[in-house]
Amino acid sequence: EIVLTQSPATLSLSPGERATLSCGASESVSSSYLAWYQHKPGLPPRVVIYDGSSRATGIPDRFSGGGSRTDFTLTIDRLEPDDFAVYYCQHYGTSITFGQGTRLEIK
Amino acid sequence: QITLKESGPTLVKPTQTLTLTCTFSGFSLTTSGMGVGWIRQPPGKALEWLALIYWDDDERYSPSLKNRLSITKDTSKNQVVLKLTNVDPMDAGTYYCARGRILMFAMDVWGQGITVTVSS
Repeated sequence: EIVLTQSPATLSLSPGERATLSCGASESVSSSYLAWYQHKPGLPPRVVIYDGSSRATGIPDRFSGGGSRTDFTLTIDRLEPDDFAVYYCQHYGTSITFGQGTRLEIK
Repeated sequence: QITLKESGPTLVKPTQTLTLTCTFSGFSLTTSGMGVGWIRQPPGKALEWLALIYWDDDERYSPSLKNRLSITKDTSKNQVVLKLTNVDPMDAGTYYCARGRILMFAMDVWGQGITVTVSS
């Protein structure tokens, strides 16, 4: 089973700044199976990136995904107030796993 | 419009079996590449994937819970049912169902979730 480790656990930034969230896999995986989700309190998670770097419907181009093998990143440029949430990476393979999440909070 | 909605008991007793139903619309589980899965979130903790069933009856389970889980589908009713046996307080949390698509290798539409408490 693939284990995903996200860092940092909490990221404190101000609107307008750039956020870089990391996701490390316990073994090499295809970026095709790597997705990122945004989760806000009281709402279901929402996919923001799939296939490693493809933006889901309605996601602005300020969001970008990248990486390969064991190291993946979600970058959010020019942070807006609505972007502050918990973000999870996910490996969607034969089995599915989530990372433990990164809380992006307003500084 | 694609929607999914979870239903079931919000309170179950320890050792009982939790049965949750996901009723969906706007897509068919007979379409190649489609799946419906279950994910939960214990209070204050991370998302945890539980199980997923595909259009071709392929069933996938979390290795840590596979002995307690079963997932079935009824394509005529557009429903997917999850059973979790022998529950205990650690199984409390919000349970979500979501559509999984092999085309995306992601879960692109989620239900609102149902909160389950385990207590005697």
